[in-house]
Amino acid sequence: RKEVEQDPGPFNVPEGATVAFNCTYSNSASQSFFWYRQDCRKEPKLLMSVYSSGNEDGRFTAQLNRASQYISLLIRDSKLSDSATYLCVVSNPRDYKLSFGAGTTVTVRA
Amino acid sequence: GAVVSQHPSRVICKSGTSVKIECRSLDFQATTMFWYRQFPKQSLMLMATSNEGSKATYEQGVEKDKFLINHASLTLSTLTVTSAHPEDSSFYICSAREATGSRTEAFFGQGTRLTVV
Repeated sequence: RKEVEQDPGPFNVPEGATVAFNCTYSNSASQSFFWYRQDCRKEPKLLMSVYSSGNEDGRFTAQLNRASQYISLLIRDSKLSDSATYLCVVSNPRDYKLSFGAGTTVTVRA
Repeated sequence: GAVVSQHPSRVICKSGTSVKIECRSLDFQATTMFWYRQFPKQSLMLMATSNEGSKATYEQGVEKDKFLINHASLTLSTLTVTSAHPEDSSFYICSAREATGSRTEAFFGQGTRLTVV
């Protein structure tokens, strides 16, 4: 089983729509979780850290469910600029190595 | 936020030559840096962990003699791809964590797109 698994999508949504997707992780001892955004041929950039039960940052909401070992990302009022690949990242509690999901592709259309 | 600078951003080299990629943390000290490789439409795969002042730790399946890592200071790690072959063509990205504090998120360099012809 992969350490981090994501629905690859693509999610193709109109502007203004809400889109949500999940990520599951295998290491129950993991404590730190992140969503990164990666644009085509660019480096990943931190979108949100998810430390406790979840948090919200503007149009983006991340939820953590420790019992089921998944985190989710919800994007409200989608913008064209939200089109990207969203990477679910989990930090190993022992050595802080990051494990990446394969990414979920979101395309927002006009 | 913290800044990590990676150079070069793009390199084309001939088979058999070596390529050095630099990763610098510009506004913080990084005792640990990570090197990743990403093939098209695939996730980032950790290649090795670069530790300042000591040997790098390589992930399973990564040849340490082919991918030489040097972490000579708290702000600089280098990855040298030796005797490059076309199958080494990929996107290489470094990341670094701050050496102090409780933050565990990583900051990434801009990436280096290596093409071996």
